[in-house]
Amino acid sequence: AQTVTQSQPEMSVQEAETVTLSCTYDTSESDYYLFWYKQPPSRQMILVIRQEAYKQQNATENRFSVNFQKAAKSFSLKISDSQLGDAAMYFCAYKQDTGRRALTFGSGTRLQVQP
Amino acid sequence: GAVVSQHPSWVICKSGTSVKIECRSLDFQATTMFWYRQFPKQSLMLMATSNEGSKATYEQGVEKDKFLINHASLTLSTLTVTSAHPEDSSFYICSARGRPGGLSRGLYSPLHFGNGTRLTVT
Repeated sequence: AQTVTQSQPEMSVQEAETVTLSCTYDTSESDYYLFWYKQPPSRQMILVIRQEAYKQQNATENRFSVNFQKAAKSFSLKISDSQLGDAAMYFCAYKQDTGRRALTFGSGTRLQVQP
Repeated sequence: GAVVSQHPSWVICKSGTSVKIECRSLDFQATTMFWYRQFPKQSLMLMATSNEGSKATYEQGVEKDKFLINHASLTLSTLTVTSAHPEDSSFYICSARGRPGGLSRGLYSPLHFGNGTRLTVT
């Protein structure tokens, strides 16, 4: 079974600074997807960024970028120029490319942004 | 973009009663819907997967007779919590996946989440 591990229950960053959230996963599959989701107090799940395992290039979405290390099974999220609105729970998630297509989530990291 | 509507957003019920939660895909056909449960300050745990027109597949430890899932059409899945007890109080989130498409090798189809339902059983 696939597992996703987020070892940082809480992180804090100063506004305008950069923060990196860690995620590791375990799988025997070669094709899969990795995601970072943001969950603000409203509890709405918001997709931040997605990475296909077969792509070597790291995904980027404006201020958000990932460092995908397939061999190490590591998938960290970097938030640049942090904003107050970035404060939320962040979940790393994994999805197999075939077969069962549900997302497996990590335990989450609560990000606080200090003004 | 694709929208998934989940209703109600919150509900309070008495112990022993049943509660139905609806999950609708508003502008796409959801071939698969997933139901998750989230306890306070915890992650989302998959409860079951439902495919239109077939029985739901439940995760280990989830009581299928207690959490009834029906996916009768390509736009609607329902989760009924039967004989609810206080320990069933939680946040329930549905997500829906449309038909695969796009240019990615794995025929990636996006997963869209509802806004969730906060259930409180008194």
